[in-house]
Amino acid sequence: GENVEQHPSTLSVQEGDSAVIKCTYSDSASNYFPWYKQELGKGPQLIIDIRSNVGEKKDQRIAVTLNKTAKHFSLHITETQPEDSAVYFCAASNLFGNEKLTFGTGTRLTIIP
Amino acid sequence: GAVVSQHPSRVICKSGTSVKIECRSLDFQATTMFWYRQFPKKSLMLMATSNEGSKATYEQGVEKDKFLINHASLTLSTLTVTSAHPEDSSFYICSARVGRGQGTQYFGPGTRLTVL
Repeated sequence: GENVEQHPSTLSVQEGDSAVIKCTYSDSASNYFPWYKQELGKGPQLIIDIRSNVGEKKDQRIAVTLNKTAKHFSLHITETQPEDSAVYFCAASNLFGNEKLTFGTGTRLTIIP
Repeated sequence: GAVVSQHPSRVICKSGTSVKIECRSLDFQATTMFWYRQFPKKSLMLMATSNEGSKATYEQGVEKDKFLINHASLTLSTLTVTSAHPEDSSFYICSARVGRGQGTQYFGPGTRLTVL
């Protein structure tokens, strides 16, 4: 089955700086890679996703890059703000298979004012 | 994005009782919903896949007689924790998929279950 690794587990960034979280996956059949933000006591919120037919996607301050050859994808947050503080999860799935999401272990991001 | 609700948001029950958690897709129809369990400071663990009008598919190690799932309509799935015990205490989260092959799953706000 799919295995997703995520690094780092914790990340502290000065407000206004950029944050980068990286994930690797094992199953070459995976073709859909979403990123979720989870605040304390709440459910995960989809913030951006990417399919394997593109290498990069951007939405305002958030971007995701995908390297299919190396089987890794990254989340980039620029101009970080205190409200970006949360736990971020990457995930992978195969849209032509069972579409189950396999999650990474999460990154606790803290933005220092 | 699509909205998924869960009810209740938190529940406390006595050991041996059963608890039902509802998951609803509010503005779209979901032929497939997923149930996850999350321990403190841990990732989400898929428990089962719930398909409208058919039996749920459980992940390895998840007791189907313990965690009963019913997907009675295109907007509602329920998870019933039967004969709950303290070790069942956890954060239960559902998600709904917009359409097959779309990939996107929208998550509910979660239900905190505490079994005394």
